[in-house]
Amino acid sequence: DGGITQSPKYLFRKEGQNVTLSCEQNLNHDAMYWYRQDPGQGLRLIYYSQIVNDFQKGDIAEGYSVSREKKESFPLTVTSAQKNPTAFYLCASSITGTGRGANVLTFGAGSRLTVL
Amino acid sequence: EDKVVQSPLSLVVHEGDTVTLNCSYEVTNFRSLLWYKQEKKAPTFLFMLTSSGIEKKSGRLSSILDKKELFSILNITATQTGDSAIYLCAFYGGSQGNLIFGKGTKLSVKP
Repeated sequence: DGGITQSPKYLFRKEGQNVTLSCEQNLNHDAMYWYRQDPGQGLRLIYYSQIVNDFQKGDIAEGYSVSREKKESFPLTVTSAQKNPTAFYLCASSITGTGRGANVLTFGAGSRLTVL
Repeated sequence: EDKVVQSPLSLVVHEGDTVTLNCSYEVTNFRSLLWYKQEKKAPTFLFMLTSSGIEKKSGRLSSILDKKELFSILNITATQTGDSAIYLCAFYGGSQGNLIFGKGTKLSVKP
């Protein structure tokens, strides 16, 4: 079955540590996205990538980094510079990054990060 | 600034009730409006609306867009406990051409 796999589902880290969240898709989608979800805040865009080896900052990119070395993979690193990293992180993909193919996102099941 | 406003933010109803969820937007370069349902983790796609006045329907759920008044509604008739979820509205467009989400409406359906 095609879909998006995020890992780990739950992650705990101590303050000052970097952590990397994995996102893999086998949908052959060109575009991938990372969103952060906090209670009562909806989904906010962190980074997105419309094509391999290219990515752009979203609305809340500070304290995060990404890479897109393969079409299937778009890992997110939460660095120690992120002041309030405890949140639910959702990865998504779309057929293309622009035009009609960019409208409908397919989401992964999410990763919940808790900073102790 | 592009924004999407959903109301109410939370709603509690009983099984069998009909509910209407609202989504208003102020955007540049509007292309489409989408509704998602999030039960526990991954949001799942419900509808995409691009034209005014054309109702999209799927079972007990329906949605319509008014591009003149800049809003959309999601109707759920004969609600069931399985409808309990967060319903997210998003528009595609804006200055960067990305999906911009509202804060969601949390619907709780009591038996």
